[in-house]
Amino acid sequence: KNQVEQSPQSLIILEGKNCTLQCNYTVSPFSNLRWYKQDTGRGPVSLTIMTFSENTKSNGRYTATLDADTKQSSLHITASQLSDSASYICVVIEPSGGGADGLTFGKGTHLIIQP
Amino acid sequence: KAGVTQTPRYLIKTRGQQVTLSCSPISGHRSVSWYQQTPGQGLQFLFEYFSETQRNKGNFPGRFSGRQFSNSRSEMNVSTLELGDSALYLCASSSGTSGRQRETQYFGPGTRLLVL
Repeated sequence: KNQVEQSPQSLIILEGKNCTLQCNYTVSPFSNLRWYKQDTGRGPVSLTIMTFSENTKSNGRYTATLDADTKQSSLHITASQLSDSASYICVVIEPSGGGADGLTFGKGTHLIIQP
Repeated sequence: KAGVTQTPRYLIKTRGQQVTLSCSPISGHRSVSWYQQTPGQGLQFLFEYFSETQRNKGNFPGRFSGRQFSNSRSEMNVSTLELGDSALYLCASSSGTSGRQRETQYFGPGTRLLVL
């Protein structure tokens, strides 16, 4: 069964510090890997989308990396702000026709930024 | 452009009842996907529609159904509600033919369903 494991489950850091969230997956092959940010009580917001051939993708202070050989992705947040407090979800999507489901979600990392 | 809208935002039902949730995608988007989110299971894919046709379906029982109209608006229905159906139901739209392609999916705020 395809799996996406995210670590840590939760993380508390001080405002202004950097942090890195991890996503390990077993899905193979895959079409693209996505990182989402979800604020409490809101729908997820897309941060990055990477295909299997891309190594890195940035969106402002957010930088995602992908190592398809080791089946690992990470999301690095630079100079954290209070507004970064949220859950971060990793999703791995199979190619079209990859089955009835084809999307495997991680359980997310709950990030808290303290002033 | 207005974002994805979902109605109602909150809903309380009792076991055995049925419920219909509505989603209006971003103008011009024809692909709509539905997801269930619970604290225990996280996000799970329900189904995806494009041009009124169901393209993909997740591993949910037949009590969960959906449809898409010619104006791309979508509804999902859950019949014979169970306590375990309590969740946040999220709708997302994208401009491509499928939310699984590289186009960004835009999520609505969700409908929070509580089954008593």
